Amino acid sequence: AQKITQTQPGMFVQEKEAVTLDCTYDTSDPSYGLFWYKQPSSGEMIFLIYQGSYDQQNATEGRYSLNFQKARKSANLVISASQLGDSAMYFCAMREGPGGATNKLIFGTGTLLAVQP
Amino acid sequence: KAGVTQTPRYLIKTRGQQVTLSCSPISGHRSVSWYQQTPGQGLQFLFEYFSETQRNKGNFPGRFSGRQFSNSRSEMNVSTLELGDSALYLCASSSPGLINTGELFFGEGSRLTVL
Repeated sequence: AQKITQTQPGMFVQEKEAVTLDCTYDTSDPSYGLFWYKQPSSGEMIFLIYQGSYDQQNATEGRYSLNFQKARKSANLVISASQLGDSAMYFCAMREGPGGATNKLIFGTGTLLAVQP
Repeated sequence: KAGVTQTPRYLIKTRGQQVTLSCSPISGHRSVSWYQQTPGQGLQFLFEYFSETQRNKGNFPGRFSGRQFSNSRSEMNVSTLELGDSALYLCASSSPGLINTGELFFGEGSRLTVL
């Protein structure tokens, strides 16, 4: 069964340092997509980065990169040079099947990141 | 470009009542999906619409229903409200043109409190 696991309920990081948020997934579908979202206290889900299962290279978006290890079924988010505004809940999510067929996402339980000055 | 708009942002209802939440997707987006977020169950998929057709449904009772209009705006309805329906309801929209980027944009949500 499809599942997303985030084992870090909360993390601290010093401002300007890099941090890795862990995510593992389970699926039997060869075509899937992996997402990371940020949710500040306001509630809005902010899209950060996406990795398709057939993408050869790790996705990057500015200070965000996704460390995609397909054989290990992991999709860790790396935030470089943390900023105070990065303090938020971070969710890993998976879509089974090819993009365009569905936008049903399975979410992990989230990691609460606190950036310290 | 306007984002996904959800109304109302906050509402309070009592048990047994019904509620309708609205979602206006980003212009040009034809896919709308709904999620429920609670402290206990986390984020759970409710249903998804594409071009006015429901193409996927989550594991929720029949009290939860939705629809999509020809202009892609979507509504969800919860009838006979229960205390456990208190949650943040999030709507997301996407476009077929975004298949390769996977971008799925969320609104700020409608926070429902059932008393």
